[in-house]
Amino acid sequence: DTEVTQTPKHLVMGMTNKKSLKCEQHMGHRAMYWYKQKAKKPPELMFVYSYEKLSINESVPSRFSPECPNSSLLNLHLHALQPEDSALYLCASSQEKGMAGGREETQYFGPGTRLLVL
Amino acid sequence: AQKVTQAQTEISVVEKEDVTLDCVYETRDTTYYLFWYKQPPSGELVFLIRRNSFDEQNEISGRYSWNFQKSTSSFNFTITASQVVDSAVYFCALSEAFASGTYKYIFGTGTRLKVLA
Repeated sequence: DTEVTQTPKHLVMGMTNKKSLKCEQHMGHRAMYWYKQKAKKPPELMFVYSYEKLSINESVPSRFSPECPNSSLLNLHLHALQPEDSALYLCASSQEKGMAGGREETQYFGPGTRLLVL
Repeated sequence: AQKVTQAQTEISVVEKEDVTLDCVYETRDTTYYLFWYKQPPSGELVFLIRRNSFDEQNEISGRYSWNFQKSTSSFNFTITASQVVDSAVYFCALSEAFASGTYKYIFGTGTRLKVLA
C-alpha cells in the first residue's frame, strides 16, 4: 500500500484565519515532506521531517508552521496567510533507508490540498 | 549545482501515436537517482519509475519505456500508442543528498502532454 492521505481536499480561508492541513501515511516511512505547487510550476519543497525531527526548512515564512506529532502524521499550521499563498499543497513520504540500510528515497505523494486565500 | 531540464513545455499528439518526453540532468554526484512522476489534472503526483546511476539498462513497463544514458546525462521517457488517459504533466526529478542523510528532489519544470482523441 503506497497511500498518503491528505485532508482537507479543498480549503478556503481568509487572511486572518488559522487552519491546519493534515497528512497521514501508514507505510512505515520515516521521512515526510511538505511541498507548495503553483499552477504550471513544479512542486517547491517547503519542509522535510526525518525521524520526526525537522531536517530541512527551505526558508519558508513563519506563517507556515509544520508539526510532526508522530512518524505517521504531518501537519501544516497556517496563520495570517496572503493571497499569494493560494496553491496546491502536497505531502509526501519516503522510507529514507532501504532494507539493507542503503538509499531508498522514492517519495510517494498524497492527493494534495487546494488552498485559496481570500 | 544539480539541475534538471525538461525542454518540452507542452506536447500534443493524436491518440495511438508514440511520444518521447526528454529529461536532461546535471549533477556532480557519482551516485544519484532519477525519477519520473505523472501529475493528472486531479493533482496527485504518481510515481512511475526510479533509476539509479549504476543501472543503465532500459526499462519497459507496458506502454511505458525509459532510456537512461549517462554519457549524455539523459533519462527520456517514451509512451507507445498513447491514450487520452495519458494526458497529464510529467515531471522528471533528480535526488540530492544532504549531510544529514535526508534527500530532496530537484524537479524539472514538467512537460504537459495532451493526447487528442
